[in-house]
Amino acid sequence: QKEVEQNSGPLSVPEGAIASLNCTYSDRGSQSFFWYRQYSGKSPELIMSIYSNGDKEDGRFTAQLNKASQYVSLLIRDSQPSDSATYLCAVREGGGADGLTFGKGTHLIIQP
Amino acid sequence: NAGVMQNPRHLVRRRGQEARLRCSPMKGHSHVYWYRQLPEEGLKFMVYLQKENIIDESGMPKERFSAEFPKEGPSILRIQQVVRGDSAAYFCASSPGGSDTEAFFGQGTRLTVV
Repeated sequence: QKEVEQNSGPLSVPEGAIASLNCTYSDRGSQSFFWYRQYSGKSPELIMSIYSNGDKEDGRFTAQLNKASQYVSLLIRDSQPSDSATYLCAVREGGGADGLTFGKGTHLIIQP
Repeated sequence: NAGVMQNPRHLVRRRGQEARLRCSPMKGHSHVYWYRQLPEEGLKFMVYLQKENIIDESGMPKERFSAEFPKEGPSILRIQQVVRGDSAAYFCASSPGGSDTEAFFGQGTRLTVV
């Protein structure tokens, strides 16, 4: 049974600070990792994808992957109130196009 | 450049009726995925389809649920004889396939069984 674990939160961060979201996964064979943002009542929106160990930066977002520790994280710099949402970690076993296994998400609140 | 299109956005069905949910993938995408999200729960994978083929249906309930992606037209998720426990948001995602492919979600269909 593949599992993706996230702290459900809420995680409260002051505006302008760095928000750090964490995710662990059980399947050591996992190859592809994704972060989605979901506002209440809306659909998931892809934020970042990462496939190899290390950091990947895109604007205010940085994804970090450590396959040895089976750990993936998302950092949001200069947090804005509009970043308040649920962040979903998703994992794919292979390197192809199979379906994703999602964590339950972390609810992030950015305090103005 | 339309994204993934799902319809209807909201669907109300009485217990025992059939629900049909439609999904048109993004232009250029040939891979479709269906997920279900129950209140306060995460997204659960249901089925992965390519044109005229079911690739992986390991997340699909064994009874009452079926999915297809015909050669022409949208992908359909069909739920027969709906029960209250089927009330959920059903999301479709699509991808172009290939290695390390990213999937993009539609707006979802919120199914309410009364």
